[in-house]
Amino acid sequence: KNQVEQSPQSLIILEGKNCTLQCNYTVSPFSNLRWYKQDTGRGPVSLTIMTFSENTKSNGRYTATLDADTKQSSLHITASQLSDSASYICVVSQLGTGFQKLVFGTGTRLLVSP
Amino acid sequence: DAGVIQSPRHEVTEMGQEVTLRCKPISGHDYLFWYRQTMMRGLELLIYFNNNVPIDDSGMPEDRFSAKMPNASFSTLKIQPSEPRDSAVYFCASSSRGTGHGYTFGSGTRLTVV
Repeated sequence: KNQVEQSPQSLIILEGKNCTLQCNYTVSPFSNLRWYKQDTGRGPVSLTIMTFSENTKSNGRYTATLDADTKQSSLHITASQLSDSASYICVVSQLGTGFQKLVFGTGTRLLVSP
Repeated sequence: DAGVIQSPRHEVTEMGQEVTLRCKPISGHDYLFWYRQTMMRGLELLIYFNNNVPIDDSGMPEDRFSAKMPNASFSTLKIQPSEPRDSAVYFCASSSRGTGHGYTFGSGTRLTVV
């Protein structure tokens, strides 16, 4: 069964600290993996997208890693800010002919505390 | 570009009433997706269109749900009759290359059925 599991479910960190969010998937065949940030009351916004051959990709203070062999990804946030408080959703795209199905994780809720 | 525009942002209705959610995709995007998000199940794909034609509606929960896309700039998701378990946030997303880059979500409609 194609699944995306994220951990932890929720996380509280102090402003300025770093944190790492985890994503494990069983989606096959794999096309790409994305991390989205979803602020409260808003739609998800793409942070990074990685294909099979990419191990790491950065977007400012956000760095995503991908290990396609172990089917694991992580999102590392450096020097957290209050505005990083949001849900972070891992999404894996399933390779297919034409349309690629997206499989969503249920997200990690991050709260950055002052 | 105004992004994907959804209306209304919030909808509160009584059980049994008809509810219509609206979406304006990004101009030039030929794919449109409707999602439902709940705390328990995360984001679930309900239906998607390509060039205004419904391609896959297997995610539509039951016959009470219907979606239309009369032209490239407008889509509706209708629930008739609505039930309390339909309460969720409904997102519309659009893309110009299936689920490739440029996949953009709207801000969502929070539906509460009482």
